[in-house]
Amino acid sequence: EAGVAQSPRYKIIEKRQSVAFWCNPISGHATLYWYQQILGQGPKLLIQFQNNGVVDDSQLPKDRFSAERLKGVDSTLKIQPAKLEDSAVYLCASRRVNEKLFFGSGTQLSVL
Amino acid sequence: GNSVTQMEGPVTLSEEAFLTINCTYTATGYPSLFWYVQYPGEGLQLLLKATKADDKGSNKGFEATYRKETTSFHLEKGSVQVSDSAVYFCALTPGNQFYFGTGTSLTVIP
Repeated sequence: EAGVAQSPRYKIIEKRQSVAFWCNPISGHATLYWYQQILGQGPKLLIQFQNNGVVDDSQLPKDRFSAERLKGVDSTLKIQPAKLEDSAVYLCASRRVNEKLFFGSGTQLSVL
Repeated sequence: GNSVTQMEGPVTLSEEAFLTINCTYTATGYPSLFWYVQYPGEGLQLLLKATKADDKGSNKGFEATYRKETTSFHLEKGSVQVSDSAVYFCALTPGNQFYFGTGTSLTVIP
C-alpha cells in the first residue's frame, strides 16, 4: 500500500512569515496525527484527528498554529507567523483504529 | 501521566557487537509498548511492539520484553550490522495517543 505522503520535503522561511504543510494519509486511515520533532528530541504530538474531527489539540500553540482535515482525508498544518523556535521536522502519521502507526518522511522547516 | 525515558546516545558499536538500549516508562493503565526506528532521511518505522506484560516483541534480530515489574522495555540485538545505524525511539500508547522518548542514535562501524 502507498505510504503517508507529505510535502514539501524541506522549507526555509524567515521569522514572521507563514508556512503550510500538507499530508495525505494512507487510504482508509481514520486517525491522523501531526507531530513536531525538534532536533535531538522525540516527536511531540501537536494535533490528532479522527476523520475530520479534532480529538486532541492540547499541545498545539493555537496563537500561531492551525490545522484542518477537510473531508477526513488530506490535512494541512499552518504556522503564522513563524518563530525561530518552530524550526523542526513536522511529521504526519496515520493509522486505522487500534492498529499500528505509519509515518510520513516529514517536512524539515528552518526558520531564519 | 504518561512518559518514556530512554538512554541518551549517541551509541557507537563495532559490527557484530551486542546492543542494549534502555527504555523505562510511566503510564496509567496498561499501555502497549513500541520501538520505532528512523533511518537517515526517512520517516519513523515500527520495529517491534508488545501489548501486555511479559510479551516479547521481535523483528530483524531485535528483541524487547515488556517488564511490568520494572516498567521497562529494553531493546536488544545480539550482533549489530552497519545497516542498523539509525535513531531508535521507545514509545507507548495507553489508547489512542502515542508518547515517544527522545531517541537514541546508534552508529555501527565496520
